[in-house]
Amino acid sequence: GESVGLHLPTLSVQEGDNSIINCAYSNSASDYFIWYKQESGKGPQFIIDIRSNMDKRQGQRVTVLLNKTVKHLSLQIAATQPGDSAVYFCAEGSRTALIFGKGTTLSVSS
Amino acid sequence: EAGVAQSPRYKIIEKRQSVAFWCNPISGHATLYWYQQILGQGPKLLIQFQNNGVVDDSQLPKDRFSAERLKGVDSTLKIQPAKLEDSAVYLCASSLSWAGSNTEAFFGQGTRLTVV
Repeated sequence: GESVGLHLPTLSVQEGDNSIINCAYSNSASDYFIWYKQESGKGPQFIIDIRSNMDKRQGQRVTVLLNKTVKHLSLQIAATQPGDSAVYFCAEGSRTALIFGKGTTLSVSS
Repeated sequence: EAGVAQSPRYKIIEKRQSVAFWCNPISGHATLYWYQQILGQGPKLLIQFQNNGVVDDSQLPKDRFSAERLKGVDSTLKIQPAKLEDSAVYLCASSLSWAGSNTEAFFGQGTRLTVV
């Protein structure tokens, strides 16, 4: 079946660096895409989303890029902080619900 | 604004026993989701409600799992009988409308189920 997946299971960066987390999706019918952050023992927390008719969207310290040609989604975190350490999931929304990928664990060292 | 409330936070049961989880969504949210998250994996949708009607339950193991959302507010998810592979975190989420209309889903903290 179609699914959303992430390229790397883990990513380690130094505090202050920029982080890029990637995601490949396969359902071209998805209406929008969302990035979630999940800290240990907590539910996923919304970070940023992007509609399928857009290719870039910026938030506070975060940018999501969507490349529909190659079905690729990325999350860029500027000036990564220790508090950004968590598991990041991309998810795709369509007519029914959100389908999540497996996640990338981001570790930020001081 | 109060978030999505779930209870209990933790539950340990023996296989073949039954268990129930409760979820209270954010007030006014029409859409409610139950997800199963196995350790190291992303959340997997079990069932989605729009008000008190089921929108999608295609991945719900209906021989043992059941869910209801009476009156379109609170929801319960039940497992009977439980299997070892049901050990996971069960997440409830709610949104103003359904996912296809691009509305943010808010998640509860989840119920961690351990089946021994």
